[in-house]
Amino acid sequence: GAVVSQHPSWVICKSGTSVKIECRSLDFQATTMFWYRQFPKQSLMLMATSNEGSKATYEQGVEKDKFLINHASLTLSTLTVTSAHPEDSSFYICSASGGGASTDTQYFGPGTRLTVL
Amino acid sequence: GENVEQHPSTLSVQEGDSAVIKCTYSDSASNYFPWYKQELGKRPQLIIDIRSNVGEKKDQRIAVTLNKTAKHFSLHITETQPEDSAVYFCAASRDDYKLSFGAGTTVTVRA
Repeated sequence: GAVVSQHPSWVICKSGTSVKIECRSLDFQATTMFWYRQFPKQSLMLMATSNEGSKATYEQGVEKDKFLINHASLTLSTLTVTSAHPEDSSFYICSASGGGASTDTQYFGPGTRLTVL
Repeated sequence: GENVEQHPSTLSVQEGDSAVIKCTYSDSASNYFPWYKQELGKRPQLIIDIRSNVGEKKDQRIAVTLNKTAKHFSLHITETQPEDSAVYFCAASRDDYKLSFGAGTTVTVRA
């Protein structure tokens, strides 16, 4: 149980285009979803927290107009990187909580590797 | 905000030996401390977690200890095997469930 999927697993796009990444909780209803960014050989950095039906809460330094988050249902959250630039290239990982034995345990998706040319 | 420090950054052990990773946190309100294992290019996998009302937790070869007074917690892996080689992250969170991660420890188990 507590499986989280992410799509696509990798994407290459041209500078200036927008990319949408989907995060789904497959076998549980996720009360909260989180979006992280991970650069090579670095730790996970929380970008934003989203709850179903409400606006996402962004961490300091994360541009909310650039990283649009929509949490339309208890099983789906999307991250759209708008007007992507090469410095946005990274590994984006979502997580979801609300499943499993405890409500605060986060289960991670497999990640999306974004490369902006 | 919460600041989690993790040591060492790299750890090489002989197969069968034990591995210990230590983390400290700054926010005394943190009450949940998970440990994740991440293999190259893959998702972090929860391997064990502990809450602030518990001092120690064990699951087969893995154990975690928590010292709330000193604000530090440790991961212990006994009888290490080659498949234990990975990057391990500690994390801490408060009631808002936001995880603050340590920098990670690259563990290499030598056969």
